[in-house]
Amino acid sequence: DVKVTQSSRYLVKRTGEKVFLECVQDMDHENMFWYRQDPGLGLRLIYFSYDVKMKEKGDIPEGYSVSREKKERFSLILESASTNQTSMYLCATIGQGRNEQFFGPGTRLTVL
Amino acid sequence: GENVEQHPSTLSVQEGDSAVIKCTYSDSASNYFPWYKQELGKGPQLIIDIRSNVGEKKDQRIAVTLNKTAKHFSLHITETQPEDSAVYFCAASPGAYNTDKLIFGTGTRLQVFP
Repeated sequence: DVKVTQSSRYLVKRTGEKVFLECVQDMDHENMFWYRQDPGLGLRLIYFSYDVKMKEKGDIPEGYSVSREKKERFSLILESASTNQTSMYLCATIGQGRNEQFFGPGTRLTVL
Repeated sequence: GENVEQHPSTLSVQEGDSAVIKCTYSDSASNYFPWYKQELGKGPQLIIDIRSNVGEKKDQRIAVTLNKTAKHFSLHITETQPEDSAVYFCAASPGAYNTDKLIFGTGTRLQVFP
């Protein structure tokens, strides 16, 4: 079974802090994604990566950056956290040419 | 770009009844339509999907139908059980040759009452 793990289930940060959310997958998948989930808005794509050191902006990249130094690890960075970034963050992975995205359990981030 | 609308946002049914969730999409080039189920405290998980060359697909108590002309697709759950209670998301691939990236609907919270 594919395993996608996220570094924290719950995180509380202060406005202006730099925040790192980590995602690790164990299936050697090329493609990895970061979404945020908000009530009434569904899942919105922040960034995705098709390979190591490769990244592309999703639909809502403002205020976020990403890093993919190793194939199994995809990090989401909030350079200066703001209260409107309080949300559930979900990481997902998919194999090249495959259909199913596998999601991690999510990180609920609260920015005070 | 692709836009996916999902209705209803909440749905309550009695155990044993059927539940239907509907989605519409805007990009006529989309050709892959998955449905994900998210249980409390977990990430979404794929439960069924359909490609644009097929009109209907079934897997035990769940089925998905696709109307390409009208650009809408639906999830049907029959004989609902309490364990079907979850948030369901539809999605569409934004372009004929890219099934990796998905555009998700806004979600439907299904509650099945015993």
